[in-house]
Amino acid sequence: GAVVSQHPSWVICKSGTSVKIECRSLDFQATTMFWYRQFPKQSLMLMATSNEGSKATYEQGVEKDKFLINHASLTLSTLTVTSAHPEDSSFYICSARDSVSLTDTQYFGPGTRLTVL
Amino acid sequence: GQQVMQIPQYQHVQEGEDFTTYCNSSTTLSNIQWYKQRPGGHPVFLIQLVKSGEVKKQKRLTFQFGEAKKNSSLHITATQTTDVGTYFCAGTFGNEKLTFGTGTRLTIIP
Repeated sequence: GAVVSQHPSWVICKSGTSVKIECRSLDFQATTMFWYRQFPKQSLMLMATSNEGSKATYEQGVEKDKFLINHASLTLSTLTVTSAHPEDSSFYICSARDSVSLTDTQYFGPGTRLTVL
Repeated sequence: GQQVMQIPQYQHVQEGEDFTTYCNSSTTLSNIQWYKQRPGGHPVFLIQLVKSGEVKKQKRLTFQFGEAKKNSSLHITATQTTDVGTYFCAGTFGNEKLTFGTGTRLTIIP
């Protein structure tokens, strides 16, 4: 089946630093990837839609200058949390949609747990 | 905006009992997907329903999509300890974006 990887799986950083999270589709091409954020005991909230070769589309209330998304290839999207603060601590999950598949199935990565001290 | 609600928020059942979670949307869904997330893990895709009134089964799991395509349910027969986790429905509204439901956390009493 389709596999999506994320790196790193967890990261602890100091307040004010930037953190980059990678999302890769390992055995399929994904023109569209999605970034979600999940706070403890809450549901997944879509942050942005990442489109290969074009600018990401951000959901209402998500700061595009704080959460930089780059989708430079058909298998890789990155999310950079700039100047991270403790309130950015969360579980960040990406998903990828198979470009060839006729279904809307999104394949989720294992997530990255970010803790900002 | 478009929201997807799930009930109940929590469910504790004795092992062997049945479990059902319900998903409701105020507007018509294009399709509905169901995911399971184990504690500390990520969502794992279970199934997608597209047609009005559709019913699909996976072993002890039965998924239904309402006739009006505004609600869905997941029923687990004879729960086992491996069923522990949070079950999310997620719907699309005419585009590729998934809107996740609030989730139902299932715990099993052995």
